[in-house]
Amino acid sequence: ILNVEQSPQSLHVQEGDSTNFTCSFPSSNFYALHWYRWETAKSPEALFVMTLNGDEKKKGRISATLNTKEGYSYLYIKGSQPEDSATYLCALGGNEKLTFGTGTRLTIIP
Amino acid sequence: SAVISQKPSRDICQRGTSLTIQCQVDSQVTMMFWYRQQPGQSLTLIATANQGSEATYESGFVIDKFPISRPNLTFSTLTVSNMSPEDSSIYLCSVEPGQGFGEQFFGPGTRLTVL
Repeated sequence: ILNVEQSPQSLHVQEGDSTNFTCSFPSSNFYALHWYRWETAKSPEALFVMTLNGDEKKKGRISATLNTKEGYSYLYIKGSQPEDSATYLCALGGNEKLTFGTGTRLTIIP
Repeated sequence: SAVISQKPSRDICQRGTSLTIQCQVDSQVTMMFWYRQQPGQSLTLIATANQGSEATYESGFVIDKFPISRPNLTFSTLTVSNMSPEDSSIYLCSVEPGQGFGEQFFGPGTRLTVL
């Protein structure tokens, strides 16, 4: 059973501040790491698919990095806005499946 | 990408009853998945439902409890049978259009409460 861990479990951030959170995963037999954003009552939205060690991807104010040798990925949000409030999930891909972490619930305080 | 709808969006059910959740995709896809998220837990894969073959269930999930149909490449159903309060969860379907590296697209989920 793959163990994908995310920290922190929840986070409150002042609007305008920047923040980051972590996804940890087994570094052996790495295939792909996915980040999703899941707002309440909506579909989880794919943010990034990361495959190469050292990968850095960016989408607007959100970026992510990947270290496959040590088994972690960071997600960064710059200048948080209220619409960033959501649960951020990471998932390890491989064997035609995704194994999800428990998520980081982010709340932006206006 | 793919646009996915689910019905119902939420339901409150009595224990011992069954609920069938429908998942509709706007394009033909081979690989479709059903997940569950219990309160405070991660999204957990229940089964993979590929058209033309029996669903493949993950450890801890059985066909008698979660029967799945996949009659064509755009539709699937998941039934939660003989429900108990422990089945209270969000149930999501997803598809993998095969664009690379296993990226999946999700429906909005069905929030189920069992009393």
